[in-house]
Amino acid sequence: EAQVTQNPRYLITVTGKKLTVTCSQNMNHEYMSWYRQDPGLGLRQIYYSMNVEVTDKGDVPEGYKVSRKEKRNFPLILESPSPNQTSLYFCASRDRDRDGYTFGSGTRLTVV
Amino acid sequence: AQSVTQPDIHITVSEGASLELRCNYSYGATPYLFWYVQSPGQGLQLLLKYFSGDTLVQGIKGFEAEFKRSQSSFNLRKPSVHWSDAAEYFCAVYYGGSQGNLIFGKGTKLSVKP
Repeated sequence: EAQVTQNPRYLITVTGKKLTVTCSQNMNHEYMSWYRQDPGLGLRQIYYSMNVEVTDKGDVPEGYKVSRKEKRNFPLILESPSPNQTSLYFCASRDRDRDGYTFGSGTRLTVV
Repeated sequence: AQSVTQPDIHITVSEGASLELRCNYSYGATPYLFWYVQSPGQGLQLLLKYFSGDTLVQGIKGFEAEFKRSQSSFNLRKPSVHWSDAAEYFCAVYYGGSQGNLIFGKGTKLSVKP
């Protein structure tokens, strides 16, 4: 089944403790993105990647890092999480522009 | 800045009634337009998309949308709503470019009355 898989689904952590949210897609897509969803703000792009070793900032990149060492994987790294990073995070991938993104099921992160 | 507006935050309709969810986007050359649905606790599922051709597009679950360039709109419709359609609906626009950034509206929550 074609899908984007994120882990974990839920995560509660403390301020400053480094964490990684994994994302993997099995569709051989070149483009991958991370979004965060917050009430009243909709979805906002954090980082995106056009291909292996090619990544760039989206609209809200502060406090996040990404890497793209393999085509299928695009982990999101929070080196020192803060409470304002409490949010619902989505990984997504796509092939052509016209296809739209396929989204993962989301990771609900709480930073206390 | 490019933006997407969904004027209705919350809509309630009766089961069996027709539905129209509004979406307006800021002017941009040949945008790609999408509607996504998000059920509680779930990710976003693509309902339909438009990038060229016939301005009335059909999607999954009986939804359709009409692109009107003159009004910068891409409204989502369904002739008869089912209780399972209760969810949040997001309109999204892609203007092209290497960033691949879908710009999302803030969403419209749909409630369905029995």
